[in-house]
Amino acid sequence: GAGVSQSPSNKVTEKGKDVELRCDPISGHTALYWYRQSLGQGLEFLIYFQGNSAPDKSGLPSDRFSAERTGGSVSTLTIQRTQQEDSAVYLCASSLGAGGGELFFGEGSRLTVL
Amino acid sequence: RKEVEQDPGPFNVPEGATVAFNCTYSNSASQSFFWYRQDCRKEPKLLMSVYSSGNEDGRFTAQLNRASQYISLLIRDSKLSDSATYLCVVNKGQNFVFGPGTRLSVLP
Repeated sequence: GAGVSQSPSNKVTEKGKDVELRCDPISGHTALYWYRQSLGQGLEFLIYFQGNSAPDKSGLPSDRFSAERTGGSVSTLTIQRTQQEDSAVYLCASSLGAGGGELFFGEGSRLTVL
Repeated sequence: RKEVEQDPGPFNVPEGATVAFNCTYSNSASQSFFWYRQDCRKEPKLLMSVYSSGNEDGRFTAQLNRASQYISLLIRDSKLSDSATYLCVVNKGQNFVFGPGTRLSVLP
């Protein structure tokens, strides 16, 4: 596709369930970033990938959060045993290279934990 | 101190007004600076990069002061369509740090 694609666009889950969020970056973009944005708040960095490796995962809020990227392309963010405070919009972005170029964002995955 | 700080806002201005946003950053090693725009319930999109010499794109002017670690965005002749949240973004190594954003409402 032409842009960054994220799925699902909306996810409602019950507290304690696991969720997987998917990001398909722009073809050829080597860097991929995950952020989350709570209602009315700024973007909170979670993790970024350069190729398949994650040089900086310092933003993951707890060990319930994990992410992987395979084939230098699609990335999956997994949240285990979801809590209500995990409710947010999870935004994925990609760029040609890490650190210097424009970030292209997907439309986000809105997660609601009941 | 937050890594990137912005005017708290919101800014409510009439059409045609000139409005300026300020941003400060704490990491003196940062090399790349940007302004992004985020419409309500939408993803952020790049408005403009910020260069050391300052740069202009139509009604928008961005300036960088490395010594003061300060970035600004000036919008002239504001339009209703400029209403959005403006995000200051600074690189941290290979990562990007976003400011909390300043919301602008341009009123008819």
